[in-house]
Amino acid sequence: DAKTTQPPSMDCAEGRAANLPCNHSTISGNEYVYWYRQIHSQGPQYIIHGLKNNETNEMASLIITEDRKSSTLILPHATLRDTAVYYCIVRGAYNTDKLIFGTGTRLQVFP
Amino acid sequence: DTGVSQDPRHKITKRGQNVTFRCDPISEHNRLYWYRQTLGQGPEFLTYFQNEAQLEKSRLLSDRFSAERPKGSFSTLEIQRTEQGDSAMYLCASSLVIWGRSTEAFFGQGTRLTVV
Repeated sequence: DAKTTQPPSMDCAEGRAANLPCNHSTISGNEYVYWYRQIHSQGPQYIIHGLKNNETNEMASLIITEDRKSSTLILPHATLRDTAVYYCIVRGAYNTDKLIFGTGTRLQVFP
Repeated sequence: DTGVSQDPRHKITKRGQNVTFRCDPISEHNRLYWYRQTLGQGPEFLTYFQNEAQLEKSRLLSDRFSAERPKGSFSTLEIQRTEQGDSAMYLCASSLVIWGRSTEAFFGQGTRLTVV
């Protein structure tokens, strides 16, 4: 699976949009971009995934560039409960085994 | 609660003792994963099962570690002769694989092991 690069930390004011970038320049055509987050002392939580089209669900939006070499996870109205480590993972469509986690981005939402 | 459950949530053991953790996946999920996470790092893959078959083991899984999923439902992870370096959070996840494609993986809350 392709490697991803994320900034180690970011801050965001409560109520503002949090935009978390991820680079995956070696992604191949059949690989998906997945996002998980991990709140302190809990297990990782699935957020969203996409292939090439932008995706939105009740938690977040995922914007994937046209060349698919990078993506941005958007939390439209960040709350204090969104403070967590966010992991961007690239995974093949038929790769049904493990997710490979990096060190993620630590998002701190402040009042 | 129909999520992935892990037991115990916390375990403190003396060096050299054996410990066993249990994971109950989401009931219809046929794929089960074990991960280990140390402070400041992302989860590291240990092993996974498809039903009762153990399909892959990481080289992180030394011979002191063994995992089973005897009836394709719950799984156990045993660590023999624990060492201080085994102190970590042990995470279990499950997913449903149909026709070679997997749903997203759902994680449990983990078991935090402290070896003293």
